[in-house]
Amino acid sequence: ETGVTQTPRHLVMGMTNKKSLKCEQHLGHNAMYWYKQSAKKPLELMFVYNFKEQTENNSVPSRFSPECPNSSHLFLHLHTLQPEDSALYLCASSQAGLQNTGELFFGEGSRLTVL
Amino acid sequence: SQQGEEDPQALSIQEGENATMNCSYKTSINNLQWYRQNSGRGLVHLILIRSNEREKHSGRLRVTLDTSKKSSSLLITASRAADTASYFCATSGTYKYIFGTGTRLKVLA
Repeated sequence: ETGVTQTPRHLVMGMTNKKSLKCEQHLGHNAMYWYKQSAKKPLELMFVYNFKEQTENNSVPSRFSPECPNSSHLFLHLHTLQPEDSALYLCASSQAGLQNTGELFFGEGSRLTVL
Repeated sequence: SQQGEEDPQALSIQEGENATMNCSYKTSINNLQWYRQNSGRGLVHLILIRSNEREKHSGRLRVTLDTSKKSSSLLITASRAADTASYFCATSGTYKYIFGTGTRLKVLA
């Protein structure tokens, strides 16, 4: 138990569906992250939120829409996805600052399959 | 741009042997971290080394950092079957952590 909970753990959706991934952290951290992990590729940083403000959008297609209503919750809204979006989506949190020395705490991931 | 690259991509050793993984990166860093990932699971933090440190130990783990060569190594001593996992280095800057491609380690019992 890392203190970061992701739901659902597995999701299968069609290309026309709309679904959301949820992440919750119980660690009191001020930064939350979405990463995408595809087979044989490095972890791709998608979005970073610091104190609920988005500080990074790593050229992610608009079919992925993040939402951070408070510093403990992070969502990734999905719509009209493509099969190549199938991947493990990892949420993480940290206690971040200008001299970033904190470790990342990851959830177990949401395995997404787009049919 | 991709920051860290691990070498080798895959490593298979016998239980009890030592495993060494290397990481290279491209830009200046605040610190470098190593993470472990069991298949299909989230990543777990192993150890952090700051840019002004050269070596750090934690249990059976030994990490070195050479900022002049922009490289780091992770040594796992006396490996166990339970060490089988993927290992990633990550470099950090303000609010961002960039991961490498990972080394898949298999420890044979």
